[in-house]
Amino acid sequence: EPEVTQTPSHQVTQMGQEVILRCVPISNHLYFYWYRQILGQKVEFLVSFYNNEISEKSEIFDDQFSVERPDGSNFTLKIRSTKLEDSAMYFCASTWDTESLGKHTADTQYFGPGTRLTVL
Amino acid sequence: AQTVTQSQPEMSVQEAETVTLSCTYDTSESNYYLFWYKQPPSRQMILVIRQEAYKQQNATENRFSVNFQKAAKSFSLKISDSQLGDTAMYFCAFMKHVSTSGTYKYIFGTGTRLKVLA
Repeated sequence: EPEVTQTPSHQVTQMGQEVILRCVPISNHLYFYWYRQILGQKVEFLVSFYNNEISEKSEIFDDQFSVERPDGSNFTLKIRSTKLEDSAMYFCASTWDTESLGKHTADTQYFGPGTRLTVL
Repeated sequence: AQTVTQSQPEMSVQEAETVTLSCTYDTSESNYYLFWYKQPPSRQMILVIRQEAYKQQNATENRFSVNFQKAAKSFSLKISDSQLGDTAMYFCAFMKHVSTSGTYKYIFGTGTRLKVLA
């Protein structure tokens, strides 16, 4: 069964360093997402990406964050200058476009296994 | 704004027994999707069950079923014949349509930690 993959599984970095988290969504999916989960807290939406551009972003997703789909298969999240509070689990998710009741809608999001980011 | 509330931070159940996890949500939309995700200690997010709001029939997946009460905005998860492998954090999620972009995002509840006891 196709699945979303993420690398690395765990990234340790020093405060102020840049990190790139990588995701390979399921191949026929069209919508891509990043979510964040600080330890012990709920999963929070960061950004959605469709048709090669950001379609929605949360207030967490400030100028330090960027996303890219460089080659049609990878979907990356870059944090330019990491802060201690960026330590969290980062989940990538993807889904396809479907139709329901005559309207286009995005179906169930499939999550990757996550990348645990530790900022020291 | 849409919110999702899970009022039970922790629950426990004896193996083979039945447990119900509660979830309430707030929305003004008429058509939407609701989900339960399981997060075991590995922290992977695993889809348990989904419900489309326009369907009156409650979704069922093997030992997992939901009690969807649209008027009450309630979406509880029932786990029958609980197994040790069901021990995990369970998140309720509402899929929100973002009208400005035409896309969707999940709003998650704070989770219920379920422990199945041998």
